[in-house]
Amino acid sequence: RKEVEQDPGPFNVPEGATVAFNCTYSNSASQSFFWYRQDCRKEPKLLMSVYSSGNEDGRFTAQLNRASQYISLLIRDSKLSDSATYLCVPHGGASGSARQLTFGSGTQLTVLP
Amino acid sequence: EADIYQTPRYLVIGTGKKITLECSQTMGHDKMYWYQQDPGMELHLIHYSYGVNSTEKGDLSSESTVSRIRTEHFPLTLESARPSHTSQYLCASSPGDIYGYTFGSGTRLTVV
Repeated sequence: RKEVEQDPGPFNVPEGATVAFNCTYSNSASQSFFWYRQDCRKEPKLLMSVYSSGNEDGRFTAQLNRASQYISLLIRDSKLSDSATYLCVPHGGASGSARQLTFGSGTQLTVLP
Repeated sequence: EADIYQTPRYLVIGTGKKITLECSQTMGHDKMYWYQQDPGMELHLIHYSYGVNSTEKGDLSSESTVSRIRTEHFPLTLESARPSHTSQYLCASSPGDIYGYTFGSGTRLTVV
């Protein structure tokens, strides 16, 4: 089983729409989680960190369900500038190779005018 | 604004050449990483370091080597470049994994 599984999309939504991405992770020992956004041919940039049940930052809300081992990212009032690939990244929380962050291929979002 | 710097930004080089990709950070982070990413694909960890004189290979087999002589500097070297090394190389640093990583702008390498 992959460490991280995300719907690759693409998600094409109109400007102003609300869109949600789900992500499942396999390592139940993961303690912290991150959402990164990556624009085409650019580096990933940290969008949100999630350490407890969730986090909210403006139009962005992340929720964590440890029992089901999934996290979600909700984007409200989508802007054209939100178009990017969104990467769900759990931290292993264990020793050895699981100490590094594992990046999946992410979910591609395109916000249409 | 970037506190982690990668040079060069783009590099086109011939097969068989030796190259060094530079990565420096000014944040005093102990942990540094090198990832390789092909277009539209996921990032693959190729090397990491948890401090000076500490380097480890990542999950992806790589013919590159790294060194960590100073906290702020984590260069990656390819002794003999091949077309299969054509990719984007991303350097990252972190004060601790639970805080996430900060990435540099990357080096886009093309080997012809």
